[in-house]
Amino acid sequence: NAGVTQTPKFRVLKTGQSMTLLCAQDMNHEYMYWYRQDPGMGLRLIHYSVGEGTTAKGEVPDGYNVSRLKKQNFLLGLESAAPSQTSVYFCASSYRVAGDQAKNIQYFGAGTRLSVL
Amino acid sequence: RKEVEQDPGPFNVPEGATVAFNCTYSNSASQSFFWYRQDCRKEPKLLMSVYSSGNEDGRFTAQLNRASQYISLLIRDSKLSDSATYLCVVGQAGTALIFGKGTTLSVSS
Repeated sequence: NAGVTQTPKFRVLKTGQSMTLLCAQDMNHEYMYWYRQDPGMGLRLIHYSVGEGTTAKGEVPDGYNVSRLKKQNFLLGLESAAPSQTSVYFCASSYRVAGDQAKNIQYFGAGTRLSVL
Repeated sequence: RKEVEQDPGPFNVPEGATVAFNCTYSNSASQSFFWYRQDCRKEPKLLMSVYSSGNEDGRFTAQLNRASQYISLLIRDSKLSDSATYLCVVGQAGTALIFGKGTTLSVSS
């Protein structure tokens, strides 16, 4: 009963390095999301996807890229990491809800703790 | 004005106490409302959806006032295990959810 799985769980990068965070869900959800969570800032949406092959910008997209080549996977890339990208990153997924928005429930992965030195 | 605002707390209460959290939202077109719970260093998890008529799940009661754009969560008979951060979440049709910054609850024995 995996749900949403994020890899890696922890990572330390040097400024300027690149990396990719992987999110995988086994619930056949259409929508997937990447958030970052910083102390005192709450969850902020980076990018999201409403289906395979589609992505859109969220509230804080700068410095990140994403890809959704397969329905079950959503990748978040940092091309040139900066200390300001030190954060906890959460992936989430949800069903496509056309009617009752009360069913628009997001399920989260356990998070990736990233430090950029 | 922030889209979803919550009192950050912390709320420090003894076991058995009743505690209430409030949340306001700015977009009158919002259609979905939730409370999520987040334990320290863990992911957010859905606590309950919030319906216009109000709804209850055991010791937890959620209320929605659309006219005032206000959501509340009431926890009765608090347990040590209720200690967590409670996130107020609001959504509109076809868009991602907006999360409040959370209210921290600490229940002590």
